[in-house]
Amino acid sequence: NAGVTQTPKFQVLKTGQSMTLQCAQDMNHNSMYWYRQDPGMGLRLIYYSASEGTTDKGEVPNGYNVSRLNKREFSLRLESAAPSQTSVYFCASSEAEYPTNEKLFFGSGTQLSVL
Amino acid sequence: AQSVTQLGSHVSVSEGALVLLRCNYSSSVPPYLFWYVQYPNQGLQLLLKYTSAATLVKGINGFEAEFKKSETSFHLTKPSAHMRDAAEYFCAVSDTRGYQKVTFGTGTKLQVIP
Repeated sequence: NAGVTQTPKFQVLKTGQSMTLQCAQDMNHNSMYWYRQDPGMGLRLIYYSASEGTTDKGEVPNGYNVSRLNKREFSLRLESAAPSQTSVYFCASSEAEYPTNEKLFFGSGTQLSVL
Repeated sequence: AQSVTQLGSHVSVSEGALVLLRCNYSSSVPPYLFWYVQYPNQGLQLLLKYTSAATLVKGINGFEAEFKKSETSFHLTKPSAHMRDAAEYFCAVSDTRGYQKVTFGTGTKLQVIP
C-alpha cells in the first residue's frame, strides 16, 4: 500500500531557483493538501484541493502555486525560492470533499533548504 | 477562528510512567478534535479523533483522550509509557460547520527515559 507518495525527499535550492514538489495518492481520495512544518510552528496549510479541478489558498500561500493535475496528483511549485521557504513540506489527502472530521493521510515529507 | 494550544513543547517521562500531553482548543462552534503522532522522518499518523460521540476517545497504541467542553480541553493520556512512544504529537481542530481546514497545534515532543 503506497498511500501518499512525495518526491523528492530532499532538495537544496539557491535563492531564486524554481522547483516543483510532486505528490500522488493511490487511495482515490477527493481532497489533497500541502502543509509546511517549521520548528515551533506546527503544520501550516499552504493550499488545498477539495476535489479534482479546484484549488484554494490556505494559511500561507504566498510564494507558492499548485496544480491538481488529476484526482491522484497535486503538485506544489516554488517559482522563485527564498530562504524563508526552507521547511519540511508534507502532502496529505482525505476521502471526502468536505472532510472536517476525516482522517488525513500524510506523505513522508520533503526537506527543502533554500540557500 | 479555530485554534489549539499545546502546553509544553517538550515532555519527558520515564518508561512505565503516565503520559499526559495537554491540548486546549478554541472554536466558536462544536469542534472536531484530533491527535496525530509523527515518528522521526515520517509523516503524521492519526492516533484518535473526537467527533461528538463519546467524550472519552480511545485510539491506537493504548492512547486515549477526553473531551471536556467546560475546560475546552482534549488532553492525550497513556497509562504506561513505552520507548516506542517517543515521537512528536500534534493536537488539531476542525470546524463542524461546513468545509473548514484542519488547524494544527505547534506539537509536543515526547521523550521516554529508560
